[in-house]
Amino acid sequence: DGGITQSPKYLFRKEGQNVTLSCEQNLNHDAMYWYRQDPGQGLRLIYYSQIVNDFQKGDIAEGYSVSREKKESFPLTVTSAQKNPTAFYLCAISRGAAGPYGYTFGSGTRLTVV
Amino acid sequence: SQQGEEDPQALSIQEGENATMNCSYKTSINNLQWYRQNSGRGLVHLILIRSNEREKHSGRLRVTLDTSKKSSSLLITASRAADTASYFCATDARTGGSYIPTFGRGTSLIVHP
Repeated sequence: DGGITQSPKYLFRKEGQNVTLSCEQNLNHDAMYWYRQDPGQGLRLIYYSQIVNDFQKGDIAEGYSVSREKKESFPLTVTSAQKNPTAFYLCAISRGAAGPYGYTFGSGTRLTVV
Repeated sequence: SQQGEEDPQALSIQEGENATMNCSYKTSINNLQWYRQNSGRGLVHLILIRSNEREKHSGRLRVTLDTSKKSSSLLITASRAADTASYFCATDARTGGSYIPTFGRGTSLIVHP
């Protein structure tokens, strides 16, 4: 999706497992964001990172962890501490503030607990 | 925190009619954006309007912004079945040294052929 790739598209997690969602970009953007979307709901911010080796908690960070070791990559780990992880996860990128083209989103990962 | 709230939550119209969606927000903004989401997909940026602009057009889209009322509207003219999607507004609020995009819950638009 225009230089940002999320994988996998579908992911199944057993109770008590940690799983990691991938977000990779080749647009050289500084800022990366992770959102969670539940049915009929808007996007809620989990974590964001403005520069390498730095990230900030969003509104619903509990039960999630991230890393930003490379500019191109911002993986999200859903830990066993997240009690209701079934949701659609979206990664977005930007140069900083929204330019004329807004924020660029990946195609999402749908996580289901089985 | 939900910065933007769209209204109505759902809208059902016939092909050829116009569709109007509204967005209200709470704090001062740098700009406001509208996005479209097809079912099970990521969001696609439609249009951005800056806080010093009042109206903007892009093809069949018209966006207005009233900063005194903290509200925006998205008008889709001559709608098509392919316009069926969810539409979200997002505001770019400055938090500390960062710009954080904050989204509303969206309006689900169904256009009947």
